[in-house]
Amino acid sequence: GDSVTQMEGPVTLSEEAFLTINCTYTATGYPSLFWYVQYPGEGLQLLLKATKADDKGSNKGFEATYRKETTSFHLEKGSVQVSDSAVYFCALSRTNAGKSTFGDGTTLTVKP
Amino acid sequence: EPEVTQTPSHQVTQMGQEVILRCVPISNHLYFYWYRQILGQKVEFLVSFYNNEISEKSEIFDDQFSVERPDGSNFTLKIRSTKLEDSAMYFCASSGGIGGLTDTQYFGPGTRLTVL
Repeated sequence: GDSVTQMEGPVTLSEEAFLTINCTYTATGYPSLFWYVQYPGEGLQLLLKATKADDKGSNKGFEATYRKETTSFHLEKGSVQVSDSAVYFCALSRTNAGKSTFGDGTTLTVKP
Repeated sequence: EPEVTQTPSHQVTQMGQEVILRCVPISNHLYFYWYRQILGQKVEFLVSFYNNEISEKSEIFDDQFSVERPDGSNFTLKIRSTKLEDSAMYFCASSGGIGGLTDTQYFGPGTRLTVL
């Protein structure tokens, strides 16, 4: 079945540091890939997505590129802020309205 | 911007009691989902619902669980006899407007269920 593997956390960075959170997936065919963010005490917010190979999703300074050859969708941001502190989930789903499959989540803490 | 809403935000119940969690999906969406997240763990799929019937369910979604779309706007998850291990955050999601992509699921803020 489908699965998503995220780099283990937690990740602690200083403000303005570069962020990478690794995500790899196992799935047949061509799923869509997502990053969701969960701020403390809140629900899941869609951060960005990509629906086909080589697509780049971007939002709020975050980027991720759908790499079919390495089955990866790594999240990056050039300069993190304290307000980016949250849990980040990588996920995949299918265009025929199937379930989403989530990674374990990576907790990011950004210190001033 | 349209959003998924859920009520209540927090539900406390006694073991063995029935609970109903409510969701209002985005109005033109056609596919509905329930997920749960036990504290500190990953988000797990429970069930998907389309055209007034379950389209897929996980092994977690046993006979204690049921879903219903009682009217044109609400989507509910019922747990008949709650157990301690049902304590979790439950998220509703919806996707798939008419003519739109069905893969992007939009999540509600969640209901935190505490079973005592």
